[in-house]
Amino acid sequence: DGGITQSPKYLFRKEGQNVTLSCEQNLNHDAMYWYRQDPGQGLRLIYYSQIVNDFQKGDIAEGYSVSREKKESFPLTVTSAQKNPTAFYLCASSSGTAINQPQHFGDGTRLSIL
Amino acid sequence: GQNIDQPTEMTATEGAIVQINCTYQTSGFNGLFWYQQHAGEAPTFLSYNVLDGLEEKGRFSSFLSRSKGYSYLLLKELQMKDSASYLCVPPDSWGKLQFGAGTQVVVTP
Repeated sequence: DGGITQSPKYLFRKEGQNVTLSCEQNLNHDAMYWYRQDPGQGLRLIYYSQIVNDFQKGDIAEGYSVSREKKESFPLTVTSAQKNPTAFYLCASSSGTAINQPQHFGDGTRLSIL
Repeated sequence: GQNIDQPTEMTATEGAIVQINCTYQTSGFNGLFWYQQHAGEAPTFLSYNVLDGLEEKGRFSSFLSRSKGYSYLLLKELQMKDSASYLCVPPDSWGKLQFGAGTQVVVTP
């Protein structure tokens, strides 16, 4: 079945450590997105990519980095510069960048600090 | 920018109808999405309205009035599994989705 796969489901990070969250889609979607959600809050956009080898910062990009070397993959690295990384991270994709294209989400990764 | 206003929480009984209202202010209108998010899970797409009027999709319907900056999501024949947050999501002028905390719907037996 086509879909978006995020891994791992749960991730623990030590202080000062970088960690990478995986996001893979087999929907042949051009656009991919990373969001962060804190308890009781709405989703906030970290980074997005409309095409391979290109990406843009969202509203809260500081302390995060991404790459888009393949259409199917959009990994997110949470760096040690991100001082409060504990959150629910969601990856999404859409078939194009037209405004009427809905975004479809993976199941998310929960990141916690040890 | 976008301002989104929807109730924080609504409670209804199984089998009933609930209407979740949303008012929004946006610098340029680009349609409006509704998403459902169960606790601890990812949001799932419910509907997209770009024209005025009601769009029905099974037990869920979504209404839009662009001139009033108003939308509602109507949930009919409520089931326990409908207990979730419902997110009114207008795209900004760049097409980026603006998510608020949504409306928590609690369905009771």
